[in-house]
Amino acid sequence: QSVLTQPASVSGSPGQSITISCTGTSSDIGAYNYVSWYQQHPGKAPKLIIYDLNNRPPGVSFRFSGSKSGNTASLTISGLQAEYEADYYCSSYTTSGTVVFGGGTKLTVL
Amino acid sequence: VQLLESGGGSVRPGGSLRLSCATSGFTFTNYAMTWVRQAPGKGLEWVSGITGTSGVTYYADSVKGRFTISRDNSKNILYLQMDNLTAEDTAVYYCAKQFRYSDDWGQGALVTVSS
Repeated sequence: QSVLTQPASVSGSPGQSITISCTGTSSDIGAYNYVSWYQQHPGKAPKLIIYDLNNRPPGVSFRFSGSKSGNTASLTISGLQAEYEADYYCSSYTTSGTVVFGGGTKLTVL
Repeated sequence: VQLLESGGGSVRPGGSLRLSCATSGFTFTNYAMTWVRQAPGKGLEWVSGITGTSGVTYYADSVKGRFTISRDNSKNILYLQMDNLTAEDTAVYYCAKQFRYSDDWGQGALVTVSS
């Protein structure tokens, strides 16, 4: 299975907005709106923050939003806060019936 | 919702291990389940998934033919049988609820494959 492509790192100052891209193919991101995003703090299990492209689970801040254009999905975090510093992973359902993850992006809040 | 993995440990290359994931707090039969792993210092890798009542299984190419996912809907337990293990299988293995996306995760079980 292919690994989705994410930038290794992004950074921003508190209050700013950042966007993390996630590039796949027509067999995964481009095929469905089944893109999800996870936040993982060091030593912790991943936490779902976006599912089915742009839906937030209960309790997840409105500052997290998702979108897609073609084979590339994006996670936007507005109003950066120190607690958002973490690793972020995108994921997509595929035409093979499996799931693939991105390599992960380390977000640093300056 | 609670997901509790067990069965992790150290094993030699070529060996086998079976992970279990005991679940509670939701109607287990109604949900597909997933195993995801994370090698030390690396990213997440989807390993395998299984549907709810029908038990249809899916595998990543990296484990196909070596790993077997299964579930006991009477006991609310998910399993991952891992055979012919290699050093590349060393990782924390997470049990997660649902398939297309995972909204609840266990704390993970460490599997170390080393001679």
